[in-house]
Amino acid sequence: DAKTTQPTSMDCAEGRAANLPCNHSTISGNEYVYWYRQIHSQGPQYIIHGLKNNETNEMASLIITEDRKSSTLILPHATLRDTAVYYCIVRRTGTASKLTFGTGTRLQVTL
Amino acid sequence: DVKVTQSSRYLVKRTGEKVFLECVQDMDHENMFWYRQDPGLGLRLIYFSYDVKMKEKGDIPEGYSVSREKKERFSLILESASTNQTSMYLCASTPDRSLYEQYFGPGTRLTVT
Repeated sequence: DAKTTQPTSMDCAEGRAANLPCNHSTISGNEYVYWYRQIHSQGPQYIIHGLKNNETNEMASLIITEDRKSSTLILPHATLRDTAVYYCIVRRTGTASKLTFGTGTRLQVTL
Repeated sequence: DVKVTQSSRYLVKRTGEKVFLECVQDMDHENMFWYRQDPGLGLRLIYFSYDVKMKEKGDIPEGYSVSREKKERFSLILESASTNQTSMYLCASTPDRSLYEQYFGPGTRLTVT
């Protein structure tokens, strides 16, 4: 599975878009990009995933570059409740579905 | 919405006690997982189950066992609790074992004294 690199921390003002980058330069053709987040003292929460097309759901948008070597998770209107650690994961489907998280990005949303 | 519930949010047990952690999901998912999460060590898989009465060891099964008698319920058992099993325990489920779209419960913070 490809390795991912994320910034350690980011700040975002409430109401503004939060753009969280993830670098996965060794990604292979059959690997998906998944995003999860974990709010303090809670279980992880699945956000979104994609292969090569941009994806959007009620929580966020995922923008994957054309070469697939990086992606950006966008929270369009961040709120204080979006303060969490965000994890970018790259995985092939069709394999054992154990999840492992790296260190992630700690997003702090401020007033 | 998928709902995964865990029997306790906080639990304090003594060394040597037998501990039961229960997880229930309401979306008819076939696949269920138990993880533990510790600072600096991330998420580690203890056991998982792809079907009723079926179980497979994860990365750190020692000191744990599991039970899946019904599809919606997956129990984690600490046969004889030890202080190094103090941790946050997380249950998850997914409809397809090949997916990484896993739905987690709120977690049980277990302290063994």
